[in-house]
This record gives sequence, structure tokens and C-alpha cells, in this order.
Amino acid sequence: SAVISQKPSRDICQRGTSLTIQCQVDSQVTMMFWYRQQPGQSLTLIATANQGSEATYESGFVIDKFPISRPNLTFSTLTVSNMSPEDSSIYLCSVGGLAGLETQYFGPGTRLLVL
Amino acid sequence: GENVEQHPSTLSVQEGDSAVIKCTYSDSASNYFPWYKQELGKRPQLIIDIRSNVGEKKDQRIAVTLNKTAKHFSLHITETQPEDSAVYFCAAVNFGNEKLTFGTGTRLTIIP
Repeated sequence: SAVISQKPSRDICQRGTSLTIQCQVDSQVTMMFWYRQQPGQSLTLIATANQGSEATYESGFVIDKFPISRPNLTFSTLTVSNMSPEDSSIYLCSVGGLAGLETQYFGPGTRLLVL
Repeated sequence: GENVEQHPSTLSVQEGDSAVIKCTYSDSASNYFPWYKQELGKRPQLIIDIRSNVGEKKDQRIAVTLNKTAKHFSLHITETQPEDSAVYFCAAVNFGNEKLTFGTGTRLTIIP
């Protein structure tokens, strides 16, 4: 199976600033996704990161707040912009297409605290 | 869009007994149903999955059943062990868009 890494693993940020989270896979994958998991809650899909084109955002998430890049089949970034304490959460990337298009495997997550 | 309900939200089971977690989904086009286990501070780990052309799948102490007519699926863990303590999430996927919709999670505690 693939190795999925995320950087940073955790961060503490001031409100109003932005943080870019990186997701790296050690093999080419068809699909990459970004999720948010608030403390004690389930996972919510933010967007599908499309290689070579704009990301596809879910209802309630917008590009200005969560710009996403996917320059190739092994790498993606998620930026959390103009942060507020409500953005404190765990952000996880996932990849699909390794073992069937629909099977997703998750990165270790980035734990973000906004003060 | 898809909506997945999961019950119970918490479950305590004596070690060695069985645990059952149930999920229902709303979109009849969903055709893939994975289960993830998430230990505290860790990433969700895929533990078993089932596709809509199969009614049951088993992997050692873990089994999943699917009733397409009723649109519900269940996770069964037998001979539970302390290391089974975690939060378990069910999910549903529509093969057309490959998007996972998660249930709300079940916190399983195994009592030694």
C-alpha cells in the first residue's frame, strides 16, 4: 500500500493568518480528497483535488477560504485562509485509486489550533 | 445527496463478547460501503469493505452484512479484545463520483 504523509503534523496559528498543508503520496493516485474532522466529530469532505484543474468543493466550502492545488498525481496542498478559532480542527487528505477507484486511504492528519 | 445514519453512538462490550454497529443510507445509487477504525489521535484505517453485489463479507473476527433492499449495512466484531476499543465509522460511496459520505461514528469500548 502507499505511504501518505502530511506536513505539518500540527500547528498553532494566530487568527487572520493562513496555513498551507501539504499531502504527499509515494505513488501516483487517481483521486485526492481533503476532509475536516472537528473534535469528537465525523469526517466532512471539503473538496476533491483535481489534477490540472480547479478543485471541486462541497456545499459550505469555498475556494477563497480553502484554496487547493494539485500540480501532479502525487501531491496536493490545502490552504486555510484568514483563519478564525472556528477553523481549529484536524485536516486530513485521502487518496483513492490504489485498490479500486472508490477505496480511500487517509493521511495522518494535520491538527490545527487557531488562537 | 447521500445521508448515512449510524447507531449506536457509544457501545460498551465485555471482552470476548460480540459488538454490532448499524448504518443506514439514503441514496440507492451508493454501491460501496467501507468501514474505518480510528484510534485516538490516529488516522482512520480501513478495516473492511463491501460492494453492493455482495451480501456478506468476513475477515477473521470482523464481518460486514449488506441489505440493499432495506438500505442498511452492519459491522460485526466477534470475540472482542481490548485493542478493538476505538471509534468506528461507516461510509457510503456512489461509484459515479467516488465521494465518501461518513456516518457519525460509534465509540466502542471493550471492558476487560
